[in-house]
Amino acid sequence: DAGVIQSPRHEVTEMGQEVTLRCKPISGHNSLFWYRQTMMRGLELLIYFNNNVPIDDSGMPEDRFSAKMPNASFSTLKIQPSEPRDSAVYFCASSFFAGDTQYFGPGTRLTVL
Amino acid sequence: LAKTTQPISMDSYEGQEVNITCSHNNIATNDYITWYQQFPSQGPRFIIQGYKTKVTNEVASLFIPADRKSSTLSLPRVSLSDTAVYYCLVVIAHNTDKLIFGTGTRLQVFP
Repeated sequence: DAGVIQSPRHEVTEMGQEVTLRCKPISGHNSLFWYRQTMMRGLELLIYFNNNVPIDDSGMPEDRFSAKMPNASFSTLKIQPSEPRDSAVYFCASSFFAGDTQYFGPGTRLTVL
Repeated sequence: LAKTTQPISMDSYEGQEVNITCSHNNIATNDYITWYQQFPSQGPRFIIQGYKTKVTNEVASLFIPADRKSSTLSLPRVSLSDTAVYYCLVVIAHNTDKLIFGTGTRLQVFP
């Protein structure tokens, strides 16, 4: 398996623009997680899905952030409108089930100017 | 989830053994201790997990005393490539809903 795949790897956008981050989990994994990492706040869990259903989105910063998982092999994290403080590395991870070892993707480095 | 405390940073030289200790005073009966490693520009990677006593794999050893209020990750004969951030987490086996990563320990290995 290729592991967790994320795209794009780097994204530079201007404040106010919509940003969509994509993730393909490892085949057969039932849980998918979105994290955000910054120097100031470390690694934060934003939201996670079990069997394509969002279970806990308490980490999503505000309504500008939304996440979807239309099927078992694809998820998106959308920010609309984006702000400079959203600049961070966003990681997607997947596991067989919540609580099992998580496998992280390479991350998307987002810069909002 | 149990809160963990670990040193912010550690320095070592190549070939030395490195021990990183993590405190988790309010660990519950069913909780496991898990360690992840993160290299710059990469996502965290699972290293080892244990419940009690000692666990060893090809990468590291994990020592857990009887009271389980702390644990020590041991990296034998570190190399420059072991320079990374190491996270200690406590998770409920098969029933947790999420992992909470602390600040981790930044290990710097010098030649």
